Amino acid sequence: AQTVTQSQPEMSVQEAETVTLSCTYDTSESDYYLFWYKQPPSRQMILVIRQEAYKQQNATENRFSVNFQKAAKSFSLKISDSQLGDAAMYFCAYRTWGSARQLTFGSGTQLTVLP
Amino acid sequence: NAGVTQTPKFRVLKTGQSMTLLCAQDMNHEYMYWYRQDPGMGLRLIHYSVGEGTTAKGEVPDGYNVSRLKKQNFLLGLESAAPSQTSVYFCASSYGSTGELFFGEGSRLTVL
Repeated sequence: AQTVTQSQPEMSVQEAETVTLSCTYDTSESDYYLFWYKQPPSRQMILVIRQEAYKQQNATENRFSVNFQKAAKSFSLKISDSQLGDAAMYFCAYRTWGSARQLTFGSGTQLTVLP
Repeated sequence: NAGVTQTPKFRVLKTGQSMTLLCAQDMNHEYMYWYRQDPGMGLRLIHYSVGEGTTAKGEVPDGYNVSRLKKQNFLLGLESAAPSQTSVYFCASSYGSTGELFFGEGSRLTVL
């Protein structure tokens, strides 16, 4: 079974600075997807960024980018120019390339943005 | 532009009572999921469905039942609620090969 580990329960960053959230996963598969979801206090789960394992290029979405190291099974999220609205719980998730396509989530990292 | 809608948003139950959470999606997605979220444990899959009339167990299915009689609806039932089922429940749906899940706003359930 796949497992996803987020070793940083809490992180903080100064507004306008850069922060990196860590995620590692364990799998024996070669084809899969990785995601970062954001959960603000509103509780809504919001997709931040997605990475396909077969793509070598790291995904980017505006101020959000990932460092995907397939051999190391590492998938970190970098947030540049942090804003107060980035404060949230961030979940790393893995999707198996299978018929059910359910996600396996990490335990989350609570990000605080300091003004 | 509703997406995934969960009802109710909040519910308080007494131990032993039963209830049903309703999830409705208007995106014509084949796959639907029920997750529960507990502090420090992320989201854990309860049950899921890969199409109308089908259901399957996830990681933590005990104490829950589900039904998918219509493609757009996925019901989660608790026959005899227990305090351990106090949690926030999320419904999600997905389509195609992107793997992205679209989530509802969550339902907070408290069992006294």
